[in-house]
Parts: sequence; structure tokens; C-alpha cells
Amino acid sequence: GQQLNQSPQSMFIQEGEDVSMNCTSSSIFNTWLWYKQDPGEGPVLLIALYKAGELTSNGRLTAQFGITRKDSFLNISASIPSDVGIYFCAVRNNAGNMLTFGGGTRLMVKP
Amino acid sequence: DGGITQSPKYLFRKEGQNVTLSCEQNLNHDAMYWYRQDPGQGLRLIYYSQIVNDFQKGDIAEGYSVSREKKESFPLTVTSAQKNPTAFYLCASSTRFSGRYNEQFFGPGTRLTVL
Repeated sequence: GQQLNQSPQSMFIQEGEDVSMNCTSSSIFNTWLWYKQDPGEGPVLLIALYKAGELTSNGRLTAQFGITRKDSFLNISASIPSDVGIYFCAVRNNAGNMLTFGGGTRLMVKP
Repeated sequence: DGGITQSPKYLFRKEGQNVTLSCEQNLNHDAMYWYRQDPGQGLRLIYYSQIVNDFQKGDIAEGYSVSREKKESFPLTVTSAQKNPTAFYLCASSTRFSGRYNEQFFGPGTRLTVL
């Protein structure tokens, strides 16, 4: 099946630092999504990207849909302790009925 | 409040027993999904249903079964045929065909431990 390569697998940063993570695929997708999962909870949608080259912000979060439609990145500016969690990228298949998830980036923030 | 509920939060079963996980939504969504998550890994699709009385296998359907008798409910049964059932199970829902602005929303999950 399709695979999404997400990196880094984990990050341990100081509060206030900026964070960047990315996701790549060998196939083209027309929708890229970024979710955050707190420990023991379900993922929450952060940003949805629908157009190649699109740059979208949600507060301190910014995500971009790669121009090749094979990658996306997520940036978090001025990190705070509540940013701790696992961030997942996901893509939707062309039929629109299935998501494929990356392996996740575990973010840890030191106060 | 509108949302997706999964119960119970934690579930323990003996090996060889079937167990059914509940998922209910009051978002009036047509489509519902079941995912499995193992430690340190992403989510993998087990089954999905786009309309009542219809469902499709996902990537890892072996050892699982579902039913969709009501729009609001999509229970998942983990059968004794599932070789490694201990995992975190997540239910999601969306409008019938996930499209622009119609993304999947997730429930809080059920952690199943088979002893």
C-alpha cells in the first residue's frame, strides 16, 4: 500500500523554539492533512491542504502543500508546553474515502 | 454537544474471547471508520462504511467484523481470529464522501488489552 515517510520521528525542544516536521510520499495526492494526538486521545485535525503550493496557517501553526504534490511540511512557531503530542500527516486517496497516515512525529517541549 | 463517543475507554479481555467496541456519533455523518493504532505507529484502517447497511474492508480487516444497521452506530467486533488484538482503537466519521472541508473527525479511542 501507499506509504508516507514522516520525519523526524521525535523531537525534544526548548519552550519558545520553532519546530519543523515534514512528510513525503512516492505517489501524488491531492489532499494533505495534519493531525495532532494528545496521549490517550483521538487525533484532532489541525490543518487541511487542498491545492499544490498552498500555504495555510492556524495560529502558530503553518503548513504547506508541496508543489510536486508528494510532500508537505508543518511548522510550529514559539513552541509552548501544550504543543506536546504526536503530529501525524495524512493523505486522502483519489476516491476520497480513505486516509493513509504517516508514522508520526513525537514532540516534547521542555519548559 | 455533537461528537463521537467510544466506550469503554479501557477494555480487558481474555485470549480467545470476542469483544465488541462501541462507536456512536450524533454529527449526522454518513461515513464512519475504524482504525487501529499500535505504540509508536500511525493509524491503520480496519473497516469503513459510507452508508447504512454497507461497509468495506480497509488495509487490516482480517480478524475483525463490523455492522452498520444505524447511521449513528458502527460497532467493531474483535474476534478470536485476530492474532494480536491488543491495541488502541479509534473510530472516526465524516460526511459521505470526504472532500474539501469534509474531513474525518475522531472519537477518544478505546484501549483494548487481551490477557
